[in-house]
Amino acid sequence: GENVEQHPSTLSVQEGDSAVIKCTYSDSASNYFPWYKQELGKRPQLIIDIRSNVGEKKDQRIAVTLNKTAKHFSLHITETQPEDSAVYFCAASLSSGYALNFGKGTSLLVTP
Amino acid sequence: EAEVAQSPRYKITEKSQAVAFWCDPISGHATLYWYRQILGQGPELLVQFQDESVVDDSQLPKDRFSAERLKGVDSTLKIQPAELGDSAMYLCASSLGETQYFGPGTRLLVL
Repeated sequence: GENVEQHPSTLSVQEGDSAVIKCTYSDSASNYFPWYKQELGKRPQLIIDIRSNVGEKKDQRIAVTLNKTAKHFSLHITETQPEDSAVYFCAASLSSGYALNFGKGTSLLVTP
Repeated sequence: EAEVAQSPRYKITEKSQAVAFWCDPISGHATLYWYRQILGQGPELLVQFQDESVVDDSQLPKDRFSAERLKGVDSTLKIQPAELGDSAMYLCASSLGETQYFGPGTRLLVL
């Protein structure tokens, strides 16, 4: 089955700096890659996603890049703010209607 | 904005007892998932429904876990008997297309 690895497990940055989280996946058939943000005690919330026919997607301060050849994708957060502090999960799935395979998460701390 | 609902939010039980969790997906979402999230890890699929049919329950410990979605709407996940290792967050998600929307989860503690 699909195996998703995520690095780093913890990341601490100063407010205003950029943060980058990287994931690799094993199943070359995967073609949908969402990122979820989970604040303490709350539900995972989708923040951005990318499909295999796209190499990069941006939404304000958040961007995701995908390299299908290397089977890795990354989340980039620019101009970080304290409210960006949370656990971020990457995931991969075959397509619509298939379960997500999640990474183990990255705990991001943004210090003022 | 419609959200996935789950209850209870917290459950404390003793090992060997039975527990049940309930999920109400977003209206119109045909696909429903139950995930288990152990502290410090990502969610892992337990069971997936398409309408009232089970699509994938390969990771469901069937000797103690059961799940149903009788009318293709809300769903119940049951554990009997509960074991210490079942302590985790149980998340329900629903989808119409690719995007999965998660409920707030049920945090289970087995003593």
